[in-house]
Amino acid sequence: AQSVAQPEDQVNVAEGNPLTVKCTYSVSGNPYLFWYVQYPNRGLQFLLKYITGDNLVKGSYGFEAEFNKSQTSFHLKKPSALVSDSALYFCAVREVGADGLTFGKGTHLIIQP
Amino acid sequence: EAGVAQSPRYKIIEKRQSVAFWCNPISGHATLYWYQQILGQGPKLLIQFQNNGVVDDSQLPKDRFSAERLKGVDSTLKIQPAKLEDSAVYLCASSRRGASDGNTIYFGEGSWLTVV
Repeated sequence: AQSVAQPEDQVNVAEGNPLTVKCTYSVSGNPYLFWYVQYPNRGLQFLLKYITGDNLVKGSYGFEAEFNKSQTSFHLKKPSALVSDSALYFCAVREVGADGLTFGKGTHLIIQP
Repeated sequence: EAGVAQSPRYKIIEKRQSVAFWCNPISGHATLYWYQQILGQGPKLLIQFQNNGVVDDSQLPKDRFSAERLKGVDSTLKIQPAKLEDSAVYLCASSRRGASDGNTIYFGEGSWLTVV
């Protein structure tokens, strides 16, 4: 079975500082990994994904994520946070060859002016 | 291109009543998903269609939930009778083909259900 852990319910960062939202995963084979963002009263918006190749993946709005196979992690990062980045972030995993996408419980990111 | 369309956006019903949600996926997307997102939790897959066939409905409470995808395009999710614990956001999503090849899944804005 595949699973995702987002260990932090909430992350607080001052505007302009770097941010990291943590995600670890568990699959029996190779993973596809995704990050989505959800703004209040909205659906999920795709940010980025890791399929294969370069471990550092760049996505929308200046976000990037680093795939670390040995640590089974896929942390979301941004060099300089904006107040508008405040939202709920979900990490998701799919095992290669499987169809189901499994989500973590989400992390609230709060960027303080 | 147009995104995943869902309606209604918001619905309030009394317990034991019925409700239906509609979804129109992105044009050309063969795979359609319905997810349930309860407040404070990540989305949970209810059912997955490939064209008009069901691929996975293992987590669909079949005693009260039903879904169909006629002609392999639009889909409807129905709940009858509703329970208080069905209060959630129902997210429709689509992808080009089966997700196993890494295709991105795109989500609609969601249908917010409150059962009172």
